[in-house]
Amino acid sequence: SAVISQKPSRDICQRGTSLTIQCQVDSQVTMMFWYRQQPGQSLTLIATANQGSEATYESGFVIDKFPISRPNLTFSTLTVSNMSPEDSSIYLCSVGQSSYEQYFGPGTRLTVT
Amino acid sequence: AQRVTQPEKLLSVFKGAPVELKCNYSYSGSPELFWYVQYSRQRLQLLLRHISRESIKGFTADLNKGETSFHLKKPFAQEEDSAMYYCALTRGYNKLIFGAGTRLAVHP
Repeated sequence: SAVISQKPSRDICQRGTSLTIQCQVDSQVTMMFWYRQQPGQSLTLIATANQGSEATYESGFVIDKFPISRPNLTFSTLTVSNMSPEDSSIYLCSVGQSSYEQYFGPGTRLTVT
Repeated sequence: AQRVTQPEKLLSVFKGAPVELKCNYSYSGSPELFWYVQYSRQRLQLLLRHISRESIKGFTADLNKGETSFHLKKPFAQEEDSAMYYCALTRGYNKLIFGAGTRLAVHP
């Protein structure tokens, strides 16, 4: 298993600003993922954070809006840029282990006013 | 299009009653299907996956390729089963597609 922590756990931000969310894992992992869960909706994959290469974004998500860093095998950051109220969501980090099992962080609850 | 559908937002049952949380999927290929659960104030965690054919906390789920379903079942619900349940499939490389989720409420 993997233990994942995220910072901050929640934040309230003004529109037009940016927030960087950190994800720390207690072991080295190859694949890290970032998901978004908008209010009342399911989880949607934003991107896969690859160590040593650029993140791979899913349809509808772009690097300018959600830049991701993956400096090593235990850490990643997701930035939500130029925020609007529509970005109010829970952002979750997860890591993929073998056998297709994923472990999720506790999430970062973002409110944009 | 790859999709996971959970038709019920809320399923409310009494303790001891049978439970079935529905999940249907569309996927071109051989899917890997999972049930994830989120208890109150806890993080999302894997409950079971179809490939292992196991029973976890009394829950089972059978993949029915003909009906493209992966319903989660438990013969006798317990109050501690109250949680949010998400059906998910993987597109490969661990990328998960989640359903909208079903909230299970088990009443005493």
